[in-house]
Amino acid sequence: GAVVSQHPSRVICKSGTSVKIECRSLDFQATTMFWYRQFPKQSLMLMATSNEGSKATYEQGVEKDKFLINHASLTLSTLTVTSAHPEDSSFYICSARGHLNTEAFFGQGTRLTVV
Amino acid sequence: GDSVTQMEGPVTLSEEAFLTINCTYTATGYPSLFWYVQYPGEGLQLLLKATKADDKGSNKGFEATYRKETTSFHLEKGSVQVSDSAVYFCALSDSAAGNKLTFGGGTRVLVKP
Repeated sequence: GAVVSQHPSRVICKSGTSVKIECRSLDFQATTMFWYRQFPKQSLMLMATSNEGSKATYEQGVEKDKFLINHASLTLSTLTVTSAHPEDSSFYICSARGHLNTEAFFGQGTRLTVV
Repeated sequence: GDSVTQMEGPVTLSEEAFLTINCTYTATGYPSLFWYVQYPGEGLQLLLKATKADDKGSNKGFEATYRKETTSFHLEKGSVQVSDSAVYFCALSDSAAGNKLTFGGGTRVLVKP
């Protein structure tokens, strides 16, 4: 299957700082990328959907000014958590889907800890 | 809206036991159905999928059949191994909802030697 690489896998940051998470499709062009958040022992919550070259569409209740999503190319999307707080600590997962794919491929996830 | 309901875990089994994880769904359109597996500290991997009624998805000894009449997609494996210990997510993708994935709550499976 296609490969989606997410970086970093773990990050610890101080309260008030910003953190950027990258999601790359390595062997296909990702026309659509999805960002999820997963709390411990819970399911994935879709945060936003981004199409290459367009503004992201955020799910209800997700602050777009806090979670900045950029999908500037067909192989890269970034999620920036701005002014991070301890309650933002979570596991963030991206997935990507190509133009001809019905299947979305997932990155390995990023464990964010805000101290 | 679309939703997926799966049995709560944890499910604890002995090696070589039979595994069933129930999954039912509601959808406005004609969804594709998926099972994903998540190993500790990792992202999700697609385990199997079915795109239309009566299709059977299978992979690594796991099977699930798309049952439109019961709106179900139960996951089964005849003989589990310790390496099958993971969290399993049932999901659907509905073209009427922009093909976004909707996930069930996940079922943790622990296989003991």
